[in-house]
Amino acid sequence: DTEVTQTPKHLVMGMTNKKSLKCEQHMGHRAMYWYKQKAKKPPELMFVYSYEKLSINESVPSRFSPECPNSSLLNLHLHALQPEDSALYLCASSQEPSGYYNEQFFGPGTRLTVL
Amino acid sequence: DAKTTQPPSMDCAEGRAANLPCNHSTISGNEYVYWYRQIHSQGPQYIIHGLKNNETNEMASLIITEDRKSSTLILPHATLRDTAVYYCIVSRNQAGTALIFGKGTTLSVSS
Repeated sequence: DTEVTQTPKHLVMGMTNKKSLKCEQHMGHRAMYWYKQKAKKPPELMFVYSYEKLSINESVPSRFSPECPNSSLLNLHLHALQPEDSALYLCASSQEPSGYYNEQFFGPGTRLTVL
Repeated sequence: DAKTTQPPSMDCAEGRAANLPCNHSTISGNEYVYWYRQIHSQGPQYIIHGLKNNETNEMASLIITEDRKSSTLILPHATLRDTAVYYCIVSRNQAGTALIFGKGTTLSVSS
């Protein structure tokens, strides 16, 4: 199984809502990532988890809260978002941090619209 | 992380080789050149990576200049399904390291 799954595929939420994005992989990877991609722009790194611990936070606003409950699962909790947060949110994973190379496997993304 | 420069767009006829250039003049000794592509509405897909030797796999070939300041990704026989945005990224060769995506090259393959 070389797949990263993300749910939901699409999400529409109001600025006062609380929602969560979910990412799952069963490849035994111990590094997991969240990226944000605005329309016609490249993906931008948000967070990196290594061995279920947050290792990189790219100065992301606190209305985005990541969580890694176990080695297969990565969540992104959303609260009080702004319309400009509307984007495609991509999850990725790669071999354990001591792994040989940085091939990241990406999921299909969750397309988020904030009204 | 070193920055990369790529042409914004390229065209290629189906069946011909697609040669996508990338400049990375500030690459450091421990950084590798990675190529990813993103087909419309999908997540990025790893293609190939290299340090200083040329590399080939089932998808593509990577040619890195001797001074490592530039590289070329070669798709030997482009198909319509190769139409995508191609990203050249320099990064340390270690999982858990950030990939910093530049603007990439939009490759359009036509019949």
